[in-house]
Amino acid sequence: AQSVTQLGSHVSVSEGALVLLRCNYSSSVPPYLFWYVQYPNQGLQLLLKYTSAATLVKGINGFEAEFKKSETSFHLTKPSAHMSDAAEYFCAVMLGGSSNTGKLIFGQGTTLQVKP
Amino acid sequence: GAVVSQHPSWVICKSGTSVKIECRSLDFQATTMFWYRQFPKQSLMLMATSNEGSKATYEQGVEKDKFLINHASLTLSTLTVTSAHPEDSSFYICSARAPPAGGSRGEQFFGPGTRLTVL
Repeated sequence: AQSVTQLGSHVSVSEGALVLLRCNYSSSVPPYLFWYVQYPNQGLQLLLKYTSAATLVKGINGFEAEFKKSETSFHLTKPSAHMSDAAEYFCAVMLGGSSNTGKLIFGQGTTLQVKP
Repeated sequence: GAVVSQHPSWVICKSGTSVKIECRSLDFQATTMFWYRQFPKQSLMLMATSNEGSKATYEQGVEKDKFLINHASLTLSTLTVTSAHPEDSSFYICSARAPPAGGSRGEQFFGPGTRLTVL
C-alpha cells in the first residue's frame, strides 16, 4: 500500500523566515512524489515532483524538496516566506510509482500561514 | 501550462435532483481524467478514473450508480451526481492527464473545482 503523511496540519511562519512542510511516505515500490498548492476555492497547482531522477527537486515560486529514501521523507522547503505563500499544501504519491497510473494519493494537507 | 476548466464553478440544488459537472481540457487532449472529492478542510479523495471511450473505473467505496461519469471525447468528461443529498455537498475537482510527450510522463493538470451544495 502507498500513503503519505503530512506532519502538522497548520504551520505558521513570519514573512522572510524559512518554510518547512513535512511529508513522509510509505510505498512498496519506488515512489513518484508530488507537492501541490491550493489557494482558497481553487484547484491544485503543481509545485514540484520527484520521479526517480535527482533527489533534490526544485519547483516554482522558490520551493524545493529533497527525496530521502533512508528517512522516507519528501519535505518541502523555501528559504524565505512571502505573504503570497499562504495557502494549503498537499503532498501526494502516485499509485504504482513508475507504472505511472496517474492516480494520486494525497496527504491530509498543511495550511501555511505567513505573518507580516 | 495546460488549462483545465470546470463548469459550473458552484451549484446549489435541491435534495433529490441531479447535477452535472463538466471538466474540459482546453488546449490538449486528455487520454485520462480523474475525479476527486474534497470535504471542507480535508484532503482530496480520488473517486474515479475516466478514460475516453470506455467505462470509468471507480475507487472502492464510491457508488458508480450515484456518481455517473461519461468521457465522451478527449477533451470532455462529465460527472453527474444523481439524486443528490446534503451529504453529497462537497468540492469536486477534476484533473486531466496529457499524453506522454518528449520527457513528459503525462503530467496532470487540475481544474479549479466545483462547489456543490445540496439543500
